[in-house]
Amino acid sequence: SQTIHQWPATLVQPVGSPLSLECTVEGTSNPNLYWYRQAAGRGLQLLFYSVGIGQISSEVPQNLSASRPQDRQFILSSKKLLLSDSGFYLCAWSVQGGGGSGNTIYFGEGSWLTVV
Amino acid sequence: KNQVEQSPQSLIILEGKNCTLQCNYTVSPFSNLRWYKQDTGRGPVSLTIMTFSENTKSNGRYTATLDADTKQSSLHITASQLSDSASYICVVGGGGSYIPTFGRGTSLIVHP
Repeated sequence: SQTIHQWPATLVQPVGSPLSLECTVEGTSNPNLYWYRQAAGRGLQLLFYSVGIGQISSEVPQNLSASRPQDRQFILSSKKLLLSDSGFYLCAWSVQGGGGSGNTIYFGEGSWLTVV
Repeated sequence: KNQVEQSPQSLIILEGKNCTLQCNYTVSPFSNLRWYKQDTGRGPVSLTIMTFSENTKSNGRYTATLDADTKQSSLHITASQLSDSASYICVVGGGGSYIPTFGRGTSLIVHP
């Protein structure tokens, strides 16, 4: 069966510090990968998605970047965090074809980021 | 523009009662509609998925309906339990993109 892991689960970082959130998927090959952010009491906002190694699409301009160094690894990064980067970050995957074509998007457990 | 609107924004009910959550969408062409349940501090988990030809889908005490003509869906929860307290998110696929459109969710609180 397929599983998705993301870490760390909780992170408190000072303003201006770097960020690295990691996500790996097991039990599937060539998945679509996604990073979502959820601010407190708000809906899910798609940040990045990837259809293959090295292929990253950004949905919104921001202080963050994403990379996919391996087929089932997705990394969310920032060189200098802002207070507004605080939130709940979710990694997700779907089979090729994407969630809009009928494939379910499966989410990780999330990472709570607090920038202080 | 592809949009998904959910109502109510929040809902409080007593344990054992039924409730219905609403989802209206403008995604076109329509491909599929999913309902997710998100417990506080956890990732969303898929409850149901429906395509154009399906107008109802059940998963235990959860029953989703779809009216593709009016572009509306509802999620009915029967005999609510405390564990049903969560955010319920409507997600619509299609609209010329393989990235689905998410609603903001309905926050449900079940009181004993």
